[in-house]
Amino acid sequence: QVQLVESGGGVVQPGRSLRLSCAASGFMFSSYGMHWVRQAPGKGLEWVAVIFYDGSNKSYADSVKGRFTISRDNSKNTLYLQMNSLRAEDTAMYYCARPELRLGELDYWGQGTLVTVSS
Amino acid sequence: EIVMTQSPATLSVSPGERATLSCRASQSVSSNLAWYQQKPGQAPRLLIYGASTRATGIPARFSGSGSGTEFTLTISTLQSEDFAVYYCQQYNNWPPSFTFGPGTKVDIK
Repeated sequence: QVQLVESGGGVVQPGRSLRLSCAASGFMFSSYGMHWVRQAPGKGLEWVAVIFYDGSNKSYADSVKGRFTISRDNSKNTLYLQMNSLRAEDTAMYYCARPELRLGELDYWGQGTLVTVSS
Repeated sequence: EIVMTQSPATLSVSPGERATLSCRASQSVSSNLAWYQQKPGQAPRLLIYGASTRATGIPARFSGSGSGTEFTLTISTLQSEDFAVYYCQQYNNWPPSFTFGPGTKVDIK
């Protein structure tokens, strides 16, 4: 079955960097686009970034553009989110998610990894 | 940038009653609209895609309608497990654009 397991979250100071990982299993990872979506404590969902199945195209929310980088290693079945210049407002649960049919329809989600930006 | 709005922010409903949730897009998204359910401490779950198609395993009491800028999620007969927060999301594959609405919380009346 499809499984997505995020890791790499933790407490980090403002201005520092963190890299999140999402280990995928149970499907052909290299055939699917992948997303990162975040949720600040007690708040709604915010789409963060998407990467096409082969890494050829990427897109970002304005709130993270220029600071975050989405990437993937299809040989390792792993999705990444490199987060630089972190701010307090980046504090959130970060989910990776996978569509089944169309890129924007997020059928499968991991359980998330929590990032806390605090001094 | 497409902005999504949802109403009401909170909907109080008794079990067995019907719930109607609204979602509006700031510009037309055609039928590129999905609905998700999220319960406390859980990841979201896809309910509806293409504005009106139920995702795999979603009960028939959930239905979606609309196109363009106005969308509706209807839960025909609320069950206890349906009390949750519901988000709409627009998506455009190219150029990639994905936006969630702020959510509607459905709670017990």
